[in-house]
Amino acid sequence: EAGVAQSPRYKIIEKRQSVAFWCNPISGHATLYWYQQILGQGPKLLIQFQNNGVVDDSQLPKDRFSAERLKGVDSTLKIQPAKLEDSAVYLCASTRTGELFFGEGSRLTVL
Amino acid sequence: AQSVSQHNHHVILSEAASLELGCNYSYGGTVNLFWYVQYPGQHLQLLLKYFSGDPLVKGIKGFEAEFIKSKFSFNLRKPSVQWSDTAEYFCAVMSSGNTGKLIFGQGTTLQVKP
Repeated sequence: EAGVAQSPRYKIIEKRQSVAFWCNPISGHATLYWYQQILGQGPKLLIQFQNNGVVDDSQLPKDRFSAERLKGVDSTLKIQPAKLEDSAVYLCASTRTGELFFGEGSRLTVL
Repeated sequence: AQSVSQHNHHVILSEAASLELGCNYSYGGTVNLFWYVQYPGQHLQLLLKYFSGDPLVKGIKGFEAEFIKSKFSFNLRKPSVQWSDTAEYFCAVMSSGNTGKLIFGQGTTLQVKP
């Protein structure tokens, strides 16, 4: 069974630029999460989808972050414009039974 | 609001020493509890989980954890650590059924000296 796929693995941008991350969850997993993991901290939930609907986006900085999950499968997370403090690893995870499976993550460096 | 607290930020042990990492959570309802591990350069992997039943759960690589409901705790243990256990360990709690929000603690870095 294929795992959660994420791309790109690494991205370096300058502040005020935009960036997008892509996630393909495990087949059949209706619930998809995006987490932000800043160095030295635990992952912080940004947004949770159930199929193509948003369940929780209370911690998503909506002035600059957006996410969508069209057709209830793949998802994209966008940051525009990026700030220095957005430097982090962005993790995608999916689940069907409550056990989350994580992707390798996308490491963002904002200069 | 839900929160998870891990007592130790950085633990250094010698091989064969016993390990216990503390984890406490705050949430009044039914929870599912997890320990995840992140080896250097790798993605998060599940060590073990508690959904219901026996509060002492066994996971992979000789790890176990005990859910003590009265103390809101879910401590991770291993009788004898190995150098390969060097990693970051995260406690996490999920409420609202099995597709709820998963909240992580801040993590504990374990360094095992050979």
